[in-house]
Amino acid sequence: KAGVTQTPRYLIKTRGQQVTLSCSPISGHRSVSWYQQTPGQGLQFLFEYFSETQRNKGNFPGRFSGRQFSNSRSEMNVSTLELGDSALYLCASSLHHRGVRQETQYFGPGTRLLVL
Amino acid sequence: QQQVKQSPQSLIVQKGGISIINCAYENTAFDYFPWYQQFPGKGPALLIAIRPDVSEKKEGRFTISFNKSAKQFSLHIMDSQPGDSATYFCAASNVGSGSNYKLTFGKGTLLTVNP
Repeated sequence: KAGVTQTPRYLIKTRGQQVTLSCSPISGHRSVSWYQQTPGQGLQFLFEYFSETQRNKGNFPGRFSGRQFSNSRSEMNVSTLELGDSALYLCASSLHHRGVRQETQYFGPGTRLLVL
Repeated sequence: QQQVKQSPQSLIVQKGGISIINCAYENTAFDYFPWYQQFPGKGPALLIAIRPDVSEKKEGRFTISFNKSAKQFSLHIMDSQPGDSATYFCAASNVGSGSNYKLTFGKGTLLTVNP
């Protein structure tokens, strides 16, 4: 079974631009979570989507948004990019069994975003 | 507020030695404690995980020790190998939190195993 895939793998943007990152979960996984990883702050939770609905959101400004499609694929968008948004953005998927979320999250390789 | 504190930040071990990484948590609602291994350019990969109903879990050379009263858990890597050189993250979550579910991570430990 293929793992979590993320595109693009690398991205360079300038301040003020916006960016859209994509994540395809493991087949059959319906929950997708996004995390930001930086050297200073480590891994921080951005948000989680399940059945096309945002279920939980971390402590990030409204410039960070996301959505999930009916095939469970997810996108996250960052508008008005700032230098501090440079980070590795990780997507993780998890399985629901009989309506109950399984605790294991499987991570993709991430998208490395550099804001100049 | 850092809910999961991880130490040390970096660790150098000789091949064949034991690597020990420690984590402490504050939220008593946490009931799932995974460890992730991350190589450069890769996403974190689940290594081993424990629930608080057991005090120890072993998978191959990797062991989690869990102390519920102290709110601490640790990863022990026995017979450490150069291929174990990576960044290790502890994490914690409340599985029963429903729509508020998320993993809270420690800051990571960079492990270097010298040959």
